[in-house]
Amino acid sequence: DAKTTQPPSMDCAEGRAANLPCNHSTISGNEYVYWYRQIHSQGPQYIIHGLKNNETNEMASLIITEDRKSSTLILPHATLRDTAVYYCIVRVAGRGGGADGLTFGKGTHLIIQP
Amino acid sequence: SAVISQKPSRDICQRGTSLTIQCQVDSQVTMMFWYRQQPGQSLTLIATANQGSEATYESGFVIDKFPISRPNLTFSTLTVSNMSPEDSSIYLCSVRGRDRGNTEAFFGQGTRLTVV
Repeated sequence: DAKTTQPPSMDCAEGRAANLPCNHSTISGNEYVYWYRQIHSQGPQYIIHGLKNNETNEMASLIITEDRKSSTLILPHATLRDTAVYYCIVRVAGRGGGADGLTFGKGTHLIIQP
Repeated sequence: SAVISQKPSRDICQRGTSLTIQCQVDSQVTMMFWYRQQPGQSLTLIATANQGSEATYESGFVIDKFPISRPNLTFSTLTVSNMSPEDSSIYLCSVRGRDRGNTEAFFGQGTRLTVV
């Protein structure tokens, strides 16, 4: 799996958009970008994933640059409950791609300020 | 989605003893994964447990220290053997989704182990 680089921590005001960056300059053509988050004392939770097109779901949006070397996770209206460690993970996906466990980096500790 | 239950949720154990952690999934899955999260650290994969075969361990983890059972498609156990304070961590069970093309991972709430 390609290596990812994330800032160790970020602050965001409640109600504002939280934009979390991730660099993955060695990503391969068949590797997806996944985002998970871990709220304190809980197991990680899947947020979103994408290959090259921007993706949106009920939790967040994922913006992937055209060269796929970086991406941004956007939480459009951050709440206090969004305070968590956010992990950007790059790996092969699709059918048959679930054979391996995940490689977690250090992630970004996002703190939502009231 | 998958719902994962882990038992116990936490425990305090004496050094030199062993603890077995149970992981129950609400659906049949081929592979189950065990992770360790040391205090203040990220998650590290310990091993992959397939039903009907021996678990596959990651570098730095051995079967004698972390024996794993996988008796059926919905259940697995991880044993932390001959514990020392360095084994104090959160241990998490995980499975992958079964939806077509969906390989998101689901995690249990973890077992918080303190070795004294």
